[in-house]
Amino acid sequence: NAGVTQTPKFQVLKTGQSMTLQCAQDMNHNSMYWYRQDPGMGLRLIYYSASEGTTDKGEVPNGYNVSRLNKREFSLRLESAAPSQTSVYFCASRKTGTENTEAFFGQGTRLTVV
Amino acid sequence: EDKVVQSPLSLVVHEGDTVTLNCSYEVTNFRSLLWYKQEKKAPTFLFMLTSSGIEKKSGRLSSILDKKELFSILNITATQTGDSAVYLCAGRSGATNKLIFGTGTLLAVQP
Repeated sequence: NAGVTQTPKFQVLKTGQSMTLQCAQDMNHNSMYWYRQDPGMGLRLIYYSASEGTTDKGEVPNGYNVSRLNKREFSLRLESAAPSQTSVYFCASRKTGTENTEAFFGQGTRLTVV
Repeated sequence: EDKVVQSPLSLVVHEGDTVTLNCSYEVTNFRSLLWYKQEKKAPTFLFMLTSSGIEKKSGRLSSILDKKELFSILNITATQTGDSAVYLCAGRSGATNKLIFGTGTLLAVQP
């Protein structure tokens, strides 16, 4: 079972470059999330998509854009990378409906902006 | 604004000790509180709590929720070095489906 797959696993960018982090889940989940994790900061929500066709800002959306391409895929784009965006990025997905369910995480993307 | 606060930020104990990790939350239209363990990679799910006073237990780990006082605790008894990790808690909003995490507690268990 693949679960939540993130690509790439590692990336180094120069300041000002752009890139897209990809996330796909094969669990037929409705909700998907993008987080960044910095030392001592826990997981901070960048953007989330409660269902296919909707996206909303989280706690730290500045400098990022997202696309919910279809039910499986939720991508995160950095248009002009800055050193402050050096972080580990996690994608997560969750089944929604009448029951409470946990979120499943991808393995993360370690991004360094120089 | 929704927020989740964990304490302590870090903790060092010896094998065999019992530890209690704390999580308080302010989440709009609160639905559930989740605990995760993170060891250098993706967080792995431990517990989900939705009702006050009902303890969830898995081996040496247990957790309980107090919806009146807006907090949860995670207990680990007879700690082992393999329990060393960051423990994260998250609150979910039923209004938005946001899942908001705290800063985590870094637990180090020494032999």
